[in-house]
Amino acid sequence: EDQVTQSPEALRLQEGESSSLNCSYTVSGLRGLFWYRQDPGKGPEFLFTLYSAGEEKEKERLKATLTKKESFLHITAPKPEDSATYLCAVQVKGAQKLVFGQGTRLTINP
Amino acid sequence: GAVVSQHPSRVICKSGTSVKIECRSLDFQATTMFWYRQFPKQSLMLMATSNEGSKATYEQGVEKDKFLINHASLTLSTLTVTSAHPEDSSFYICSARDGQRAGNEQFFGPGTRLTVL
Repeated sequence: EDQVTQSPEALRLQEGESSSLNCSYTVSGLRGLFWYRQDPGKGPEFLFTLYSAGEEKEKERLKATLTKKESFLHITAPKPEDSATYLCAVQVKGAQKLVFGQGTRLTINP
Repeated sequence: GAVVSQHPSRVICKSGTSVKIECRSLDFQATTMFWYRQFPKQSLMLMATSNEGSKATYEQGVEKDKFLINHASLTLSTLTVTSAHPEDSSFYICSARDGQRAGNEQFFGPGTRLTVL
């Protein structure tokens, strides 16, 4: 069965304190791995797509990396506005749908 | 680019009534649209996948006669919750895939909060 597990469930950091969020996956064949950001009461906002092991993508203070078993979302010198739930999802080869992890609730204290 | 809208953003209805939610891709053609529901502090649960001009494919456990999905054009999909009951109260979110993009990203709408009294 295709599975996506995110850790930690919740993470509280001080402003400027860098950290990483983990997304482990078990799939029959990976077509793509996606990172989204979701603010309370809103739909997810697309951040990154990663397709193959070794690939990296960056956007402002965020950097996503991918291995054959997991992906990391690195947050460098975060600001309070980076507080949100970060969702990881995988698309399996031959399928249209995404399989989502449970998300990591990130809180950045000023 | 890749903007998806939903209407309404909030709806309150009485038990037994039907509610229609619209999902539109504003600046691209959505060959595939998806409908999710999300409970508080939980992740997204896929309800159904719809391809333009075809019948929707429902996930296991989702009642197709209760949650009617229509994807009549490349920019519009609708979800109708028929004979709504309090247990149908939830946050409903649609997403769309751009058929002309090389990537497989889904772009999400802002969501619709349904409350059934």
